[in-house]
Formats: sequence, structure tokens, C-alpha cells
Amino acid sequence: EAEVAQSPRYKITEKSQAVAFWCDPISGHATLYWYRQILGQGPELLVQFQDESVVDDSQLPKDRFSAERLKGVDSTLKIQPAELGDSAMYLCASSGAYEQYFGPGTRLTVT
Amino acid sequence: GENVEQHPSTLSVQEGDSAVIKCTYSDSASNYFPWYKQELGKRPQLIIDIRSNVGEKKDQRIAVTLNKTAKHFSLHITETQPEDSAVYFCAANGGAGSYQLTFGKGTKLSVIP
Repeated sequence: EAEVAQSPRYKITEKSQAVAFWCDPISGHATLYWYRQILGQGPELLVQFQDESVVDDSQLPKDRFSAERLKGVDSTLKIQPAELGDSAMYLCASSGAYEQYFGPGTRLTVT
Repeated sequence: GENVEQHPSTLSVQEGDSAVIKCTYSDSASNYFPWYKQELGKRPQLIIDIRSNVGEKKDQRIAVTLNKTAKHFSLHITETQPEDSAVYFCAANGGAGSYQLTFGKGTKLSVIP
């Protein structure tokens, strides 16, 4: 069964450093999402792509976060500089229609 | 935008009993309502979903009901087992044709053997 892949699974970084997360969606899924999940809460959407285009990035803190999906397949989420409050799980999901399937996430700890 | 409220935040049941988790949504145009199960340290997994054109859907021990008039939907788990212990999230989309989901804050279900 195809799954969404993410790497790294864990990342520890110091504040003010740059970090990047990678996501490979399920083959054929045109829509890709990046979410942030704080412990004990539901996922919150950061950015949504349709193929290589951004559909919604209204919740992405654009002063420090950026996301791209250059060829409409895999995607990268970057944070520069990281802040203590960015510590969270970063989840990627993809969908071909309504059903969204999540990757295993990247657990980010900023020290 | 859409707002999804989920209750209760924690739920403990004895093995074999039923569990019910309830959610309300704000956008009357929402037409897709999935439920996810997230075990500790793992990815959220889609366990069941319902569209606005049906009132109930069942899959073995789990069922979801939808009341469009009241704008609420519920997850029902019967004959609970210890492996049902997890955090459950409801979600709603942003209207017909929108794939974007807004999630509830989650319910931590504990099934006591």
C-alpha cells in the first residue's frame, strides 16, 4: 500500500538555525498539504499545493517559513530562522480527492 | 472560515463498552467529514468518513452519524478493545469542492481492560 514519506523523522536544532523538511506524496496525488501539530492538539494547515501551485498559504508565517513543490511531486518546507515556539510535529499529507493521507511526520525540537 | 469543536477531550471506557465522540462545525457548506485515529508517536490514520448526502455510515465496529441541520457529527465505537486506545480527531472541509480540512482538538480514548 502506497504511503506518504517524510524525512527526517526527528530534528533537533538550535534557535536561529535553518531547518528543512521533505515530503514525497502518494504517487498521482495532485494535492499536498503541510500541517503543524502541537502536542495535544489537532493538525493545523500551514500550506496547500495543487500540483506545483500554492492554493492557500494564509496560515504560513512567511517571514520565516517557506514551502515549495517545484515539479508538482515532492515538496520541501523550510524554517529560517527557527524559534523555540516552532517545536512541534510537522506533518505532510496528500490527496487525490477528499481523502487525505498523512506521512509519519518530522518531530522538530528547537533548543 | 470553518470552526470544528470536539467533545469530550478525554474518554475512558471499559473494554467491551461503547464510546461516542461528538463534533460540531460552523460552515453549513461543508460536505465532507472524516475521522482520524492517531496512536502515540504515529501518523493520523483515516478510519472512516461521511459525505453530507448520507446520514450514517458503518464499518464493522465503527460508525459515523451526521446531522446537517444541527451541524454536528459523531463517531461511535462499539465493543471497544484495548487497541482502540488512541487520540481521535474529527475534521470538516471548507465547503463543496474544497479539500481543505479543519480539525477538532482531539479526544484521547482510553479502553480499560
